[in-house]
Amino acid sequence: GAVVSQHPSWVICKSGTSVKIECRSLDFQATTMFWYRQFPKQSLMLMATSNEGSKATYEQGVEKDKFLINHASLTLSTLTVTSAHPEDSSFYICSGRGLRSNQPQHFGDGTRLSIL
Amino acid sequence: DAKTTQPPSMDCAEGRAANLPCNHSTISGNEYVYWYRQIHSQGPQYIIHGLKNNETNEMASLIITEDRKSSTLILPHATLRDTAVYYCIVRVSNFGNEKLTFGTGTRLTIIP
Repeated sequence: GAVVSQHPSWVICKSGTSVKIECRSLDFQATTMFWYRQFPKQSLMLMATSNEGSKATYEQGVEKDKFLINHASLTLSTLTVTSAHPEDSSFYICSGRGLRSNQPQHFGDGTRLSIL
Repeated sequence: DAKTTQPPSMDCAEGRAANLPCNHSTISGNEYVYWYRQIHSQGPQYIIHGLKNNETNEMASLIITEDRKSSTLILPHATLRDTAVYYCIVRVSNFGNEKLTFGTGTRLTIIP
């Protein structure tokens, strides 16, 4: 089955630093990638959608200057949390989908971000 | 956008079939029903999806009612590893960007 690799799986850093999370589709070309955030005991919330080579589309309430998304190739998307603060601590999950719109999304195993 | 309704939790004995219901009474004709599950501290795992007809794969079966207003995910022989939160999702299409909107799902606990 389709595999999405997310790195790192876990990161702790000081308040004010920037953190980059990578999402790679290993065995398919992800024309569209999605970034989600999940707080404890809550469901996944979509943050943004990105198509390869285009600017990401952010959901309402998500700051695009805070959460920088790059999708420069069909197999790699990155999310950079800039000037992270404790309230940004969360479980960040990416997913990728191929060209056909009714194909399922395949998810990475998530990145647990803790800001001290 | 079509919304889904699922029971918050269910228990099932190991080895028995787990039947997880989902209501999606406002589904549109071209919207698919997707099922994902999330095991604790992992990303969601795709299980199955369908439009009108019943579907089966190596993981599960999906039964969609004729009026498409509800569906049931069937895990034929549940194991302890099937303990997870199961999400029934109707795919939303918005300005060409298809996205999945996760609800609260059903927390399925498989009991030894």
